[in-house]
Amino acid sequence: NAGVTQTPKFRILKIGQSMTLQCTQDMNHNYMYWYRQDPGMGLKLIYYSVGAGITDKGEVPNGYNVSRSTTEDFPLRLELAAPSQTSVYFCASTRAERRYNEQFFGPGTRLTVL
Amino acid sequence: GQSLEQPSEVTAVEGAIVQINCTYQTSGFYGLSWYQQHDGGAPTFLSYNALDGLEETGRFSSFLSRSDSYGYLLLQELQMKDSASYFCAVSAGNTPLVFGKGTRLSVIA
Repeated sequence: NAGVTQTPKFRILKIGQSMTLQCTQDMNHNYMYWYRQDPGMGLKLIYYSVGAGITDKGEVPNGYNVSRSTTEDFPLRLELAAPSQTSVYFCASTRAERRYNEQFFGPGTRLTVL
Repeated sequence: GQSLEQPSEVTAVEGAIVQINCTYQTSGFYGLSWYQQHDGGAPTFLSYNALDGLEETGRFSSFLSRSDSYGYLLLQELQMKDSASYFCAVSAGNTPLVFGKGTRLSVIA
């Protein structure tokens, strides 16, 4: 199993550009998450999904959109990139049970907006 | 809402023992998790406590007191490779896992 994979690993965007961060998991997990982590800070939840076709906002959803058409894939879309979106983005997944939900993280995408 | 408090930085000597504390405020508490993150890496799961007491996994142990809304991560026989950030995280209600801001552990010779 590859676990959680993310592409690209690095990206530089100009202000106003758009991009999609890809996330795929092969563990048949229902729950998937997108976090951002600014330097020296903790993880902030952007969006999450409890299954295909279902998404919900996290703590910091503004400027982002997600979709979940399959169990495996959970892409994150940035529209009109801004310098404040410079961060490391992690995708994570977990099995269905909420009470014990060890999250498996992808390697991250390091995004710089100039 | 939910909130977690943990020290921002801890320094300890190689071979020693260090304890990283975490206090939380939440309703509908299920359990407390710990994650490790090395610089430039992704968080990885270390432990989960749902019941009061100590859980041991090799050199790492995690403790929970539900009545005190408090837990800690104990690292024994510290090694240089243990230098990393450690996050506590709370599972509660129908909300996703909530992470603390992290404790940066520096292990010195």
